[in-house]
Amino acid sequence: NAGVMQNPRHLVRRRGQEARLRCSPVKGHSHVYWYRQLPEEGLKFMVYLQKENIIDESGMPKERFSAEFPKEGPSILRIQQVVRGDSAAYFCASSPPRGRGREKLFFGSGTQLSVL
Amino acid sequence: DAKTTQPNSMESNEEEPVHLPCNHSTISGTDYIHWYRQLPSQGPEYVIHGLTSNVNNRMASLAIAEDRKSSTLILHRATLRDAAVYYCILRDRIGNTGKLIFGQGTTLQVKP
Repeated sequence: NAGVMQNPRHLVRRRGQEARLRCSPVKGHSHVYWYRQLPEEGLKFMVYLQKENIIDESGMPKERFSAEFPKEGPSILRIQQVVRGDSAAYFCASSPPRGRGREKLFFGSGTQLSVL
Repeated sequence: DAKTTQPNSMESNEEEPVHLPCNHSTISGTDYIHWYRQLPSQGPEYVIHGLTSNVNNRMASLAIAEDRKSSTLILHRATLRDAAVYYCILRDRIGNTGKLIFGQGTTLQVKP
């Protein structure tokens, strides 16, 4: 069984460019979570999505950041007009529908975003 | 979400047991106790979780105090590959999102 797949593994962008991070959840999982980890800091929750719905975006910066989880295809975290402070590791996690071991989250290996 | 308190760091010798403590004095009756770990340059990995009773799996054991205000993750024989940051997290089993809120965790160093 394939786990959570994130790509790219490393992404380099210049200031002002757009960054698109992709996350394919475990097959059959309909819940996706995005986390950000700044250098030497802990994991910070960003957003929780179900298919075609944003459930909790309380951790998302108000501007430049957006996330989607379409009916078909991977979840996308999009960062517009990146700045150096966006440089971080971005992790995606997935879980099955509630009531089927939902307590456990499966994490990907992350995308390391570097902004020059 | 109720908060947890963990030591910043711990050391262990290889092949010895490790007991990682966690205090959660404000735990509610509907909170599960979860443990995840993060190895260097990797995403977090589920270790174990429990509600009231002690739990065992292939990775570790979880000992939960009778009043549930503290718990201990037990690695029975630490290996170098167990060097990681260990996170103790409370998760409301009837919460509306199920998101995990990570604290600073305990950095475990394993010495050969």
